[in-house]
Amino acid sequence: EIVLTQSPGTLSVSPGESATLSCSSSESIPFVYLAWYQQKLGQAPRLLISDAHKRVSGIPDRFSGSGSGTDFTLTISRLEPEDFAVYFCQHYGSPSLTFGGGTKVEIK
Amino acid sequence: QVQLVQSGAEVQKPGSSVKVSCEASGYIFNNYAINWVRQAPGQRLEWMGGIVPIFHSPYYAQKFQGRLTVTSDESTSTAYMELSSLRPDDTAVYFCAKSVGTRGTAFEIWGQGTTVIVSS
Repeated sequence: EIVLTQSPGTLSVSPGESATLSCSSSESIPFVYLAWYQQKLGQAPRLLISDAHKRVSGIPDRFSGSGSGTDFTLTISRLEPEDFAVYFCQHYGSPSLTFGGGTKVEIK
Repeated sequence: QVQLVQSGAEVQKPGSSVKVSCEASGYIFNNYAINWVRQAPGQRLEWMGGIVPIFHSPYYAQKFQGRLTVTSDESTSTAYMELSSLRPDDTAVYFCAKSVGTRGTAFEIWGQGTTVIVSS
């Protein structure tokens, strides 16, 4: 089973600044089957990025994903107040799917 | 619009079973995978299993084999997750999630979550 490790655990950022979140995989992820989700307290996760870099329709262009193999990055530029949340990466190739432990982006 | 609506919170005793429903609307139910994911307090999201209704064949994470049953009812566009032999560490919020496509694709729409508490 692929293990995803996210860093840092918590990121303190001021509104208007950028945030860089990392997701490291225990083995190479085929076909970049890697997604990023945003989750706010008491809500379900929301899909932001699929296939490592494809932004979902309706997601602002300040969210961008990159990476391949074992190292992936989610960058949030010009943080807005609504962006402060927990972010998860996910490997979704068959036969098994796994999630990272999450990075909490908090207001500095 | 596409949405998934889950059944309400449950409190169950250890050793019993729980069945959670997920009613879909706004898309062709049969053609897309529905997955089940849980989130225990302070823990990461954990994928449990799923089903593509048109194939009538569920699939499970190894951890839940033998204890989890995922089914679907195309006539009502509803998916179900039944977890048996409940333990206190099964206490979690359980989500259903619609995949972008069939098995092995990202989860584009999520239900609101169902809280399951296992306690004697």
